[in-house]
Amino acid sequence: AQSVTQLDSQVPVFEEAPVELRCNYSSSVSVYLFWYVQYPNQGLQLLLKYLSGSTLVESINGFEAEFNKSQTSFHLRKPSVHISDTAEYFCAVSSNTGNQFYFGTGTSLTVIP
Amino acid sequence: DTEVTQTPKHLVMGMTNKKSLKCEQHMGHRAMYWYKQKAKKPPELMFVYSYEKLSINESVPSRFSPECPNSSLLNLHLHALQPEDSALYLCASSHRGGAFYEQYFGPGTRLTVT
Repeated sequence: AQSVTQLDSQVPVFEEAPVELRCNYSSSVSVYLFWYVQYPNQGLQLLLKYLSGSTLVESINGFEAEFNKSQTSFHLRKPSVHISDTAEYFCAVSSNTGNQFYFGTGTSLTVIP
Repeated sequence: DTEVTQTPKHLVMGMTNKKSLKCEQHMGHRAMYWYKQKAKKPPELMFVYSYEKLSINESVPSRFSPECPNSSLLNLHLHALQPEDSALYLCASSHRGGAFYEQYFGPGTRLTVT
């Protein structure tokens, strides 16, 4: 069985400050990892994904996440946040066979002017 | 085209009404999903269609009835809903059938049951 833990339910941060949203998972098999973002009153958008290869993955809007197998983590980081980054962020994990998929409980990021 | 579309955007229905939600994708994806999402919660999986066949039903009440007319379309028929069914209903698709992998979501239908 797999599970995903997002310990921080809410993260307030000032504009232009760095941010890290934490995600830990547990799994007995190899996994694929994802971060989704949900802006207010919208659906989910795939922000970035780790399938294989380089453990550091980047999105086009400045976010990055690093897959750490030993710590079973996939934390999301951005060196300088903008007001427009205010949203709900969901970490998700899929078994590498694809037959299981779990969302974390979400982290609400609020960027303060 | 990497878009999943959903109609309508908003729907208000009474408990005796019958309505349908529609979802469409033209990415050639072979798996499609319905999720229900309450405010400030992660999406909850309802149904999975793989190669146009229902492969997963997460014990969803029969007042929700999914349908997959072809590989690009997914419907969710609603009948005799309860106020607690009010939520955001999300459709998603992924490339391969029989496996979740990365999913692409539509914007959702905001359903209010009165």
